[in-house]
Amino acid sequence: EAGVTQFPSHSVIEKGQTVTLRCDPISGHDNLYWYRRVMGKEIKFLLHFVKESKQDESGMPNNRFLAERTGGTYSTLKVQPAELEDSGVYFCASSPSQWSTDTQYFGPGTRLTVL
Amino acid sequence: GNSVTQMEGPVTLSEEAFLTINCTYTATGYPSLFWYVQYPGEGLQLLLKATKADDKGSNKGFEATYRKETTSFHLEKGSVQVSDSAVYFCALSDRAGGTSYGKLTFGQGTILTVHP
Repeated sequence: EAGVTQFPSHSVIEKGQTVTLRCDPISGHDNLYWYRRVMGKEIKFLLHFVKESKQDESGMPNNRFLAERTGGTYSTLKVQPAELEDSGVYFCASSPSQWSTDTQYFGPGTRLTVL
Repeated sequence: GNSVTQMEGPVTLSEEAFLTINCTYTATGYPSLFWYVQYPGEGLQLLLKATKADDKGSNKGFEATYRKETTSFHLEKGSVQVSDSAVYFCALSDRAGGTSYGKLTFGQGTILTVHP
């Protein structure tokens, strides 16, 4: 069974440009989460999809970030326009349910560098 | 709100030494507790978990016990190996309140380096 995949693995862009990150969850997992780790700090929650619906987007930093999950399959996270403080590693995770006891399966992350 | 505090790193040990990484938490409800590990060049993977008080999670020689009275979930291993070198994250998922039960709250991570 394929794990969670993320694309690209690395992205280097200039301030003001747009970047789109993609996450493919494990097949059959309705729940998809985005997290971010900035500058070696703790990993922070961004948002949670259940199928194609946003269940919780309380962690999204501002309106420059837009997440979508069309058809309840893969998800994209767009940053437009990117700022220096957006640099970090963006992780995606999926799980079959949203119960707190459930394990979340993480992708390898996308390292974003904004110059 | 919820929070997780891990001991500050980095931690450097010799092979076969005993490992403890402290983790304490604050939660409003009845959290599940997790240890995730990130090996160099890889994503996070679950190391172990415990879903209720007094449960012990274990995997690959690592153990952690959910202590509600001290709000702790310390990670231990009796004899570390070079291959255990990685970043270790303590995390919780709270069951009560909010709209996203599955949301994980992480500690800051502890870098472990094991020398031969």
